[in-house]
Amino acid sequence: GAGVSQSPRYKVAKRGQDVALRCDPISGHVSLFWYQQALGQGPEFLTYFQNEAQLDKSGLPSDRFFAERPEGSVSTLKIQRTQQEDSAVYLCASSLVGQGQETQYFGPGTRLLVL
Amino acid sequence: QQQVKQSPQSLIVQKGGISIINCAYENTAFDYFPWYQQFPGKGPALLIAIRPDVSEKKEGRFTISFNKSAKQFSLHIMDSQPGDSATYFCAATPLGAGSYQLTFGKGTKLSVIP
Repeated sequence: GAGVSQSPRYKVAKRGQDVALRCDPISGHVSLFWYQQALGQGPEFLTYFQNEAQLDKSGLPSDRFFAERPEGSVSTLKIQRTQQEDSAVYLCASSLVGQGQETQYFGPGTRLLVL
Repeated sequence: QQQVKQSPQSLIVQKGGISIINCAYENTAFDYFPWYQQFPGKGPALLIAIRPDVSEKKEGRFTISFNKSAKQFSLHIMDSQPGDSATYFCAATPLGAGSYQLTFGKGTKLSVIP
């Protein structure tokens, strides 16, 4: 079956622009996660949804970052007034039930470059 | 504050050799330790995982060794193959609150040369 898909795969933005990154999780997966992966680093947790509820947004680096999952399926990560330090790969992951230490399946990521 | 420290940063191994990647953690609340494999342009994929109630777990050519008292764990890849060339991340999650939140090491880029 289809895995987690993300779009666009690459995004170039001028500093100050707003961007929206889309994630399509595996069909039927209840939980959805966003991670930020800076160049040469491991992914860092941003936020977690269970269905449409955002249960944890403790990793969002600033109030310029906003995520939503209005119908409990597709999710969008929005970054307002992008800064150069926002340049990174943004990874989305999903898991079946969302109970604790369940396997998370990652998408290929969106590589964001802010000029 | 880096909660999971991974070494080495890069590793070159000859085909057929053993690749060893080490990780250490500080947070004693961690109780699940997965390893992820990431190929260029792809997202990380779960390779193998261990809980601290066992000292070793083996799946095919991949083995995790776990030392709870030292708060260290390592990945061994036996008979390394060129197709194993990828970046490997160790990770950890706690039990209970926040158990879904993966904390990753910085990664090890493995190159297996023929």
